[in-house]
Amino acid sequence: SAVISQKPSRDICQRGTSLTIQCQVDSQVTMMFWYRQQPGQSLTLIATANQGSEATYESGFVIDKFPISRPNLTFSTLTVSNMSPEDSSIYLCSGQMNTEAFFGQGTRLTVV
Amino acid sequence: DAKTTQPPSMDCAEGRAANLPCNHSTISGNEYVYWYRQIHSQGPQYIIHGLKNNETNEMASLIITEDRKSSTLILPHATLRDTAVYYCIVRGPGNQFYFGTGTSLTVIP
Repeated sequence: SAVISQKPSRDICQRGTSLTIQCQVDSQVTMMFWYRQQPGQSLTLIATANQGSEATYESGFVIDKFPISRPNLTFSTLTVSNMSPEDSSIYLCSGQMNTEAFFGQGTRLTVV
Repeated sequence: DAKTTQPPSMDCAEGRAANLPCNHSTISGNEYVYWYRQIHSQGPQYIIHGLKNNETNEMASLIITEDRKSSTLILPHATLRDTAVYYCIVRGPGNQFYFGTGTSLTVIP
């Protein structure tokens, strides 16, 4: 198994600013993903974080709004850019090893 | 996009078996079925997965129909700590996990 740590665990941000969320895995994983979970909703996949290349975004998500980096097999960042109150959500990182996906505890973002 | 359908909520008496159904009628032959659960304010937790055979581990059993169009997660002796949202997921061709709406299970004392 793998343990995933996210920083920060929560934050309150002003609209128009950007926040970068860090995801650290304690072992090398083949794939990493970023999800958004809006209040009372299920998880929505934002993108696949590809090591050393541009992330692959799901429909409805774009790189300008959610730039993602993955410099190595254990670390990734997600930036929420030019935030608005609609971006208030929990953002979760996931790492995949073999056949199982592991999830961090999430970053609870509130935009005011 | 999610390829699964689950009832939105279920109740189960403590100590009884909880049977959570899932429909995945468009599943492809090489796609796995996964079950995760999410306890309030935590990240999703892996429970079990399978392809076409029934599977059992220390947490649960997974029963997949012969045509693979549906499955059932069984928690043999539900406890209050099993109260959570349970997600049935078909893993995508790029290994993505697309979450559906899940089933909110409430275990009643």
